Amino acid sequence: ETGVTQTPRHLVMGMTNKKSLKCEQHLGHNAMYWYKQSAKKPLELMFVYNFKEQTENNSVPSRFSPECPNSSHLFLHLHTLQPEDSALYLCASSHGLNTGELFFGEGSRLTVL
Amino acid sequence: RKEVEQDPGPFNVPEGATVAFNCTYSNSASQSFFWYRQDCRKEPKLLMSVYSSGNEDGRFTAQLNRASQYISLLIRDSKLSDSATYLCVLSAGTALIFGKGTTLSVSS
Repeated sequence: ETGVTQTPRHLVMGMTNKKSLKCEQHLGHNAMYWYKQSAKKPLELMFVYNFKEQTENNSVPSRFSPECPNSSHLFLHLHTLQPEDSALYLCASSHGLNTGELFFGEGSRLTVL
Repeated sequence: RKEVEQDPGPFNVPEGATVAFNCTYSNSASQSFFWYRQDCRKEPKLLMSVYSSGNEDGRFTAQLNRASQYISLLIRDSKLSDSATYLCVLSAGTALIFGKGTTLSVSS
């Protein structure tokens, strides 16, 4: 199993749909993250969880709703998204906060029609 | 001013060339700095940390200048496999802040 696994790898949804992105890490890490990567923009931090508790919400619209049931799993629930939300959503994990090494999944490429 | 600024490139160099990328940052309180590498359609991966005294890892050398709020990455003897986007990264609180990246293309 790869270290950080994301599903689905590709997702197309309409603006009225509800879908979820899933992330699972097999590295025994305590911290998990959601980042958004859009074309010609830097990675944008969305959410940070440490030991299942949310420690950071980077002013993300409420149409994105994270869930972290345990230290190994992280979800991003999506509803009533906009076309400008189309991007690559990357999950990452790390051994703790304040560490420079994040381990990323391959990402979920989302297209909102 | 953006938190992390990089020249997007692309830098097109022949195999064997030496190439340098620069990055400036605005938050003087940033404690830690890193270079990540992202291959086309792949996830970012840590390339190396950047220490105040400068550090080297094989053909890669990273430098930090806190006074000028500037870090650099030097790649010697470029290989085809070095073609990728290089992301300048700094720590800010509990998470990392990424630059847009500099794209390098090494050709034979």
